[in-house]
Amino acid sequence: SQTIHQWPATLVQPVGSPLSLECTVEGTSNPNLYWYRQAAGRGLQLLFYSVGIGQISSEVPQNLSASRPQDRQFILSSKKLLLSDSGFYLCAWSVGGKYNEQFFGPGTRLTVL
Amino acid sequence: SQQGEEDPQALSIQEGENATMNCSYKTSINNLQWYRQNSGRGLVHLILIRSNEREKHSGRLRVTLDTSKKSSSLLITASRAADTASYFCATDLIQGAQKLVFGQGTRLTINP
Repeated sequence: SQTIHQWPATLVQPVGSPLSLECTVEGTSNPNLYWYRQAAGRGLQLLFYSVGIGQISSEVPQNLSASRPQDRQFILSSKKLLLSDSGFYLCAWSVGGKYNEQFFGPGTRLTVL
Repeated sequence: SQQGEEDPQALSIQEGENATMNCSYKTSINNLQWYRQNSGRGLVHLILIRSNEREKHSGRLRVTLDTSKKSSSLLITASRAADTASYFCATDLIQGAQKLVFGQGTRLTINP
């Protein structure tokens, strides 16, 4: 069966520090991968998605970047965190194609102080 | 702006009652999905309804889709305390590229 791992679960970082959040998927090949951010009590904002290794689409201009160095690995990064980067970050995967549901990881709660 | 908008933003009912949540969207879609999120957790997929379907059932869940009104509803029958969660609709846009657009969610509270 497929599983998705996301770590760390919580993270507290000072403003200006770098960020690296990792997401890995097991049990499937060539998944679509997604990074979302969720503000408290709000819906999900799509940040990046990838349909293959090295293929990254950015949805909103921001202080973050994403990379997909391996088929089932998706990394969210920042060189210098801002206070506004605080939030709940969710990674998700889906089978390639348009008509499929997404499967979410447990999320990372990031607090930038 | 968000493609999907859920209504109401918050709903509180007694255990055993039915809960109805609505979602409206703006542009043509391939399908519409409903997800559930327990507090501080990831989302869990509940049900997917395609644009050529009008109604779908899964256990105590019933989803309807009206493409002429660009709206969908999620009905949870015989609610339980464990149904307490946030519920989101998500649309897969025809013009989109394998991505979903989520609404702001409905916070459902089931009182025992």
